[in-house]
Amino acid sequence: SQQGEEDPQALSIQEGENATMNCSYKTSINNLQWYRQNSGRGLVHLILIRSNEREKHSGRLRVTLDTSKKSSSLLITASRAADTASYFCATRGATNKLIFGTGTLLAVQP
Amino acid sequence: DTGVSQDPRHKITKRGQNVTFRCDPISEHNRLYWYRQTLGQGPEFLTYFQNEAQLEKSRLLSDRFSAERPKGSFSTLEIQRTEQGDSAMYLCASSSDSYGYTFGSGTRLTVV
Repeated sequence: SQQGEEDPQALSIQEGENATMNCSYKTSINNLQWYRQNSGRGLVHLILIRSNEREKHSGRLRVTLDTSKKSSSLLITASRAADTASYFCATRGATNKLIFGTGTLLAVQP
Repeated sequence: DTGVSQDPRHKITKRGQNVTFRCDPISEHNRLYWYRQTLGQGPEFLTYFQNEAQLEKSRLLSDRFSAERPKGSFSTLEIQRTEQGDSAMYLCASSSDSYGYTFGSGTRLTVV
């Protein structure tokens, strides 16, 4: 079952703008990961943040984690049309399996 | 190694038929996972293996579903007596530690 919820469900922005997606989860975690999925394709790992980290950067991506609120956010800066995809957060708890959120569909208009 | 391979990419089957999917993980990865994803939803965990041992199965995995990973290399997922509700994308992933999984492109199953 999915334990994460993402907000918003869909987001439409113009190229060059920033996109922020939020993820909430229910149980304690070891780490939280963000993935991108282009339509009909597999998932691509973007970034991982451990439970003892609060913020992490990778290129145009910035991830924050608030374990007290059981929430995370993904910021994509200076978005491009190629960033159009679905974005999922996934949590790893005590076992090795990932539990995914419901996803945010991002559309970047050129 | 070019990544996780899944075969076939697409499968259309009649209700009641059996289907089998194959996943070839990255060779250095000892863990292998199966997920199912329906349209507009996130992937749902089905089962995972560490080497050849099946360590966890989801309640979603009914007795019509069986997965194997002989010799700890490739894995197969079989669905017996398929139902229309089984129509989904079946994703395989592998990992060697707790950092970041590598997903295959998936097998899209359509039950008609």
